[in-house]
Amino acid sequence: EAGVAQSPRYKIIEKRQSVAFWCNPISGHATLYWYQQILGQGPKLLIQFQNNGVVDDSQLPKDRFSAERLKGVDSTLKIQPAKLEDSAVYLCASSLGWWVSKQFFGPGTRLTVL
Amino acid sequence: GENVEQHPSTLSVQEGDSAVIKCTYSDSASNYFPWYKQELGKRPQLIIDIRSNVGEKKDQRIAVTLNKTAKHFSLHITETQPEDSAVYFCAASIKRRGEEGAQKLVFGQGTRLTINP
Repeated sequence: EAGVAQSPRYKIIEKRQSVAFWCNPISGHATLYWYQQILGQGPKLLIQFQNNGVVDDSQLPKDRFSAERLKGVDSTLKIQPAKLEDSAVYLCASSLGWWVSKQFFGPGTRLTVL
Repeated sequence: GENVEQHPSTLSVQEGDSAVIKCTYSDSASNYFPWYKQELGKRPQLIIDIRSNVGEKKDQRIAVTLNKTAKHFSLHITETQPEDSAVYFCAASIKRRGEEGAQKLVFGQGTRLTINP
C-alpha cells in the first residue's frame, strides 16, 4: 500500500515570498489533515478536510494560509506572504473515515523562511 | 481544554531497561489515544493506540495504559534496544468546538528517548 506522498521535501524562501505544498493521501482515505510541526514541538493541526469539505480550520492563520482539496483527493497548502515564524515542517496525514482514528503521515516538507 | 501534557521531555535509559512516558489530558470526552514514534528527519509512525473502553493494550515490547479517572495514559517500552531511540509523541482526541460528537487529535510536546548501549 502506498503511503502519503508530499512534495517538495525541502523549501527555502525569503520572508514575504509565497510557497505551496502538495499532498497525495492514501488511496481511499476520506480525511486529510495538514499539521505544522515547529522544531522541538508536537504537530499542530492547521486544517482538516472531509472529502473536499473543510471540517476544522480553527488554527489556520487565514490571513496568510490557505488550503484546498479539489475532487476530494490531492491537497495543496499555500502560505502568502511567509513570515520567519512559519519555518517548520508541514506534515500531511490521512485517515480512512470521518471519525478520529489512525492517522498516517507523509514525510513532510521542511520550510525555512529567511 | 486543548492541552496534552507529556513528560519527561528527554529520557535516557540503558539498553535492556524499561522506559515509561506519561501524558495527561483535560477533556473528559477524549476517547482515542495514539502514540507516534518519530526518528530524526522522518515521518511520525503510529506504534500503538488505545480507545477509552479498555485500560491496557500490549504489542510485543510496547504497552499503553489508560487511567480515565485521572485522565492520564502512559507508554511502556520493555527490553529497550538502540533502535528504540527516537522522539515519541502522545496524542488525545478532544471535542471539536461547535460540532456535537466531532473530535480532533491534539499532540503532546514529545519525549526524546535515548537508549545507551
